Amino acid sequence: GESVGLHLPTLSVQEGDNSIINCAYSNSASDYFIWYKQESGKGPQFIIDIRSNMDKRQGQRVTVLLNKTVKHLSLQIAATQPGDSAVYFCAENMGGYNKLIFGAGTRLAVHP
Amino acid sequence: NAGVTQTPKFQVLKTGQSMTLQCAQDMNHEYMSWYRQDPGMGLRLIHYSVGAGITDQGEVPNGYNVSRSTTEDFPLRLLSAAPSQTSVYFCASSYGSGSRATEAFFGQGTRLTVV
Repeated sequence: GESVGLHLPTLSVQEGDNSIINCAYSNSASDYFIWYKQESGKGPQFIIDIRSNMDKRQGQRVTVLLNKTVKHLSLQIAATQPGDSAVYFCAENMGGYNKLIFGAGTRLAVHP
Repeated sequence: NAGVTQTPKFQVLKTGQSMTLQCAQDMNHEYMSWYRQDPGMGLRLIHYSVGAGITDQGEVPNGYNVSRSTTEDFPLRLLSAAPSQTSVYFCASSYGSGSRATEAFFGQGTRLTVV
C-alpha cells in the first residue's frame, strides 16, 4: 500500500553540524510533501514543503530535496542548534484535503 | 490568532464510556482532520472533512464518529471507549486541494487514557 517511511529512527549530531534526515515514499503519483517538527508534548509544526514539480526548496536554515526517480526526499538543517532537538516527520498529502500519510519519524538529538 | 484549539488537553475514561473531543479553528479553513498518534509512531488519519456537512473515513476510523455542522468545528466522538484507543489525538486544518494544497496546522493534542 501507499506509505511514507524513514530510514533512521534516531540521529545524533553535534551542535553546529549540519543534519540530514531522509524519507522514502512509495506512491509515485504523490505530488506534495511536507516536513513537520514535533517537540515533546506538542502538536506537529510545519517546517517546509515541496511540490513534485520542484527538486529543491530552501527556507531559513532548512532545505528539502526531492528525488522523484528513487522516490526519496531529505531535510537538511544547517548549523544545527539545541532548539532543533525534536522528532521530524515527513508527510505525503494525498491530493490535498488534509489527508496526510506520515512516516514513523526521526528523533534528532543535538549534543553540545 | 488562536489557530487550531483542542479541548480537553487530558482525559481519562473507563472502558465503555463515551466522550467527545472538541476541535475548533479560526482560520476559515475548508479542510479538517483527526489523527491519532501512538507512542513512537507517526500520526494516522481517523476521519477528515472537506467542508461543512461532508466527512469521510481515514485509515483508522473504527470506534469513532465525526460530524461537521460548521466550518469552524469538527468534533470527534468515541462511541464506547476501549483501551486500544489510548493515544494522543490531534486535530488539523488546511485549505486548498491538489496544486493549491497547503500545509496542515495542528492543535496541541488531547492525551486520552482508557482504563
